[in-house]
Amino acid sequence: QSALTQPASVSGSPGQSITISCTGTSSDVGGYNYVSWYQQHPGKAPKLLIYNVNKWPSGVSNRFSGSKSGNTASLTISGLQAEDEADYYCSAYTGSSTKLFGGGTKLTVL
Amino acid sequence: QVQLQQSGPGLVKPSETLSLTCTVSGGSLSKNYWSWIRQPAGKGLEWIGRIFSSGSTNYNPSLKSRLTLSIDTSMSQFSLRLSSVTAADTAVYYCARSEGDEWGQGTLVTVSS
Repeated sequence: QSALTQPASVSGSPGQSITISCTGTSSDVGGYNYVSWYQQHPGKAPKLLIYNVNKWPSGVSNRFSGSKSGNTASLTISGLQAEDEADYYCSAYTGSSTKLFGGGTKLTVL
Repeated sequence: QVQLQQSGPGLVKPSETLSLTCTVSGGSLSKNYWSWIRQPAGKGLEWIGRIFSSGSTNYNPSLKSRLTLSIDTSMSQFSLRLSSVTAADTAVYYCARSEGDEWGQGTLVTVSS
C-alpha cells in the first residue's frame, strides 16, 4: 500500500484561500467516500477537520471544506488565519478496510 | 465529554513486545470503532489499525503479523500489542475514537536496549 500524495508545502497570506490536494487511486480515494482531513500543530495530537469527504465534526469551523473529484480529494481553507499554520494530513480507506494517510502538507501563513 | 487516556511504558527493548492501553471516560465503547495511529519523530502519520466494539479488527498489512488489538468494554479500555519491535517502531503512538474526533494524549515509545 502506498501513501496518498500530498504537496509537501503550501503557503498563503491572511484572508486568502488555499487548497491542499490529496491524490490516491480508484482503490482508495476514488473508490469510496471515506476521505478525512486532519490538522496537526507541533507537539499536539492531530485534530479531525473533515470526514466522509465533506462532513464537519462538531465544533470545526466551516472555513475548512472538503471535496473530491475522481482519485483526488481537496481541502480548502478560506479566510486564512495565522493559527491555521500547521501540518495537514489526508486519509482514505481502501477496499480492504485499511486506512492510508497522505505524507502531510506544511501550511505556512505568510 | 469523552476523554481518552493512554498508558504504557515509554521504553521497550528490541525484540520485546510494545503494549499500550487507552482508557475511555465520559462515554461508552459501544457504537464506535477505536483506532491506533503512530508518528515517528519528524515524520507523518501511520495508521496502525482499528477495533470495533464487537472485537472485529482491521490491521495495517505491514504490521499485521506482529499486531494484536483488543477491547474490554467492561473496563472501557482498548489495547495495542506489537511484538518483536525494532528501532523502526520508535514513534509517538496515539489512540483515537473512530475517525479521530477524540484523541489520546500520545505516548512516545522508544525502542532501545
